[in-house]
Amino acid sequence: AQTVTQSQPEMSVQEAETVTLSCTYDTSESDYYLFWYKQPPSRQMILVIRQEAYKQQNATENRFSVNFQKAAKSFSLKISDSQLGDAAMYFCAYRLIQGAQKLVFGQGTRLTINP
Amino acid sequence: NAGVTQTPKFQVLKTGQSMTLQCAQDMNHNSMYWYRQDPGMGLRLIYYSASEGTTDKGEVPNGYNVSRLNKREFSLRLESAAPSQTSVYFCASSEAGPTDQPQHFGDGTRLSIL
Repeated sequence: AQTVTQSQPEMSVQEAETVTLSCTYDTSESDYYLFWYKQPPSRQMILVIRQEAYKQQNATENRFSVNFQKAAKSFSLKISDSQLGDAAMYFCAYRLIQGAQKLVFGQGTRLTINP
Repeated sequence: NAGVTQTPKFQVLKTGQSMTLQCAQDMNHNSMYWYRQDPGMGLRLIYYSASEGTTDKGEVPNGYNVSRLNKREFSLRLESAAPSQTSVYFCASSEAGPTDQPQHFGDGTRLSIL
């Protein structure tokens, strides 16, 4: 079975600085997607960024980028120029490309932004 | 543009009571999902429906039943609520098949079982 592990329960960063959230996963499959979701206090689940495993190029969305290391099964999220609105729980998630789109989530990392 | 709508948003039950959580989506998605979120843990899949007329167990199905009423609606039922089912429940929907389109989530239902 696939598993996703986020080893940092909490992280903090100064406003305008850069922070990296870690995620590792375990799978025997070769074709899959990886996601980072943001959950603010409102409880909404907001997609931040996604990565297709077959793409070597790391995904980027404005201030958010990933470092995808397929061989190491690592998928970290880098947030540049951190803003107060970035404060939230961040979840790493995995799913296979084929078949039912069942997401497997990590435990989450709570990110605090210090003004 | 409502997306995924869950009702109710909050509910308190007594042990042994039954309850149905409702979920509806207006994006014409084929697939729908129910997750639960507990403190210190990520979301875990309870049940899913890959298409209208089909349902399958996820990671934590015990104590729950689901009904895919039609393409829009997917309900989750607790027949005899237990304190261990105290959680935040999320419904989600997505396109079916090998697509990179993400799942869209509702705002969650906070359920407390006393």
